Amino acid sequence: NAGVTQTPKFRVLKTGQSMTLLCAQDMNHEYMYWYRQDPGMGLRLIHYSVGEGTTAKGEVPDGYNVSRLKKQNFLLGLESAAPSQTSVYFCASRHRDRGLRETQYFGPGTRLLVL
Amino acid sequence: GNSVTQMEGPVTLSEEAFLTINCTYTATGYPSLFWYVQYPGEGLQLLLKATKADDKGSNKGFEATYRKETTSFHLEKGSVQVSDSAVYFCALSLFSTINAGGTSYGKLTFGQGTILTVHP
Repeated sequence: NAGVTQTPKFRVLKTGQSMTLLCAQDMNHEYMYWYRQDPGMGLRLIHYSVGEGTTAKGEVPDGYNVSRLKKQNFLLGLESAAPSQTSVYFCASRHRDRGLRETQYFGPGTRLLVL
Repeated sequence: GNSVTQMEGPVTLSEEAFLTINCTYTATGYPSLFWYVQYPGEGLQLLLKATKADDKGSNKGFEATYRKETTSFHLEKGSVQVSDSAVYFCALSLFSTINAGGTSYGKLTFGQGTILTVHP
């Protein structure tokens, strides 16, 4: 049981390049989330998904796209990277509410540097 | 809207000192409250949580009590260790209920994080 995994761990991009961050979870969680972490700002929600084939915008969605074609995977795409997207990206997942207050489980993060 | 405010850091303590990290929140509805910890180079791990007023969450010697009257969830530990050095995040999540505005889907709202450094 690997929990939540993220690929890659670290990446350097030039402005305008594109890339996809992959998140995978093996806990059969319905909900998945992408956050970015910036100094002094905590984590902010980019996009989230409540099930296969569904996605929704979070707090800071501009410049990102997401897809959830399979329940276990949640992809975050940057079509044209900008220096402002230099950050650490965290994926998280959890069960939908089942009468309990469910906990989100986080991946180890992807560090992205945009030059 | 929902928000979480943590005490400004960084916090530097000597080993065996008493720790308090303040956290207050603003929320519409009835939130669950969490403390997450991030060790250097790692992702976030759940440290403790509380799901209703007056609940006390505890783990690894850390405690926090959900105080609805003061909208607070302060983190405390009686005797910190060097291994407790990390970044601590307070967060809230609204229970997913269907209402006129839709559901919250368990989205977490985080405070800005507090860096704790413990010296031998």
